[in-house]
Amino acid sequence: DTGVSQDPRHKITKRGQNVTFRCDPISEHNRLYWYRQTLGQGPEFLTYFQNEAQLEKSRLLSDRFSAERPKGSFSTLEIQRTEQGDSAMYLCAGAQQSLDTEAFFGQGTRLTVV
Amino acid sequence: GENVEQHPSTLSVQEGDSAVIKCTYSDSASNYFPWYKQELGKRPQLIIDIRSNVGEKKDQRIAVTLNKTAKHFSLHITETQPEDSAVYFCAAKTQGGGNKLTFGTGTQLKVEL
Repeated sequence: DTGVSQDPRHKITKRGQNVTFRCDPISEHNRLYWYRQTLGQGPEFLTYFQNEAQLEKSRLLSDRFSAERPKGSFSTLEIQRTEQGDSAMYLCAGAQQSLDTEAFFGQGTRLTVV
Repeated sequence: GENVEQHPSTLSVQEGDSAVIKCTYSDSASNYFPWYKQELGKRPQLIIDIRSNVGEKKDQRIAVTLNKTAKHFSLHITETQPEDSAVYFCAAKTQGGGNKLTFGTGTQLKVEL
């Protein structure tokens, strides 16, 4: 157990609906990352927070995507007007900047857009 | 930005044999190279990592080598067991800019009895 939890584990939604995912890292994780993983591919970086500040966003993060980490603890990732191409596993990872260690992944949220 | 290539995409070995997976990276500023094992439907789990100031690291049956000059690194698994069957991802991290990981495309390892 990495201490990073994600909710929900699975989400099925109709095209055009909005969805929101949540990630809870451990308190020591001042860095938080969101990745997207499609079938047969490695995780792709979406965005990263240091404490509550969103410091980097990938070009993969279209305007329909928004992420927040309001208090520097949990984070949410919202996808508006979902499309079938959004179907993927959304992985959250936490890391401690001071230790410069690897990121610890949560179990992920598998999104299916029908 | 960083680009990581991984080969082979699939690898089948007999139980007890060794398995080698290779990755190359493009950004000479990358300084941390983890390897993740991912079983079907589960999270990527770190199995071994190496930093740019060393050339080799070993942990029981698993070893990783790094050639900074050639910008490639490899995962070596000896005495493979059926439970080693999974998808393995290499990744590279560039210092600065949040230290995000750039992953390879994965290797499906199958250890046959």
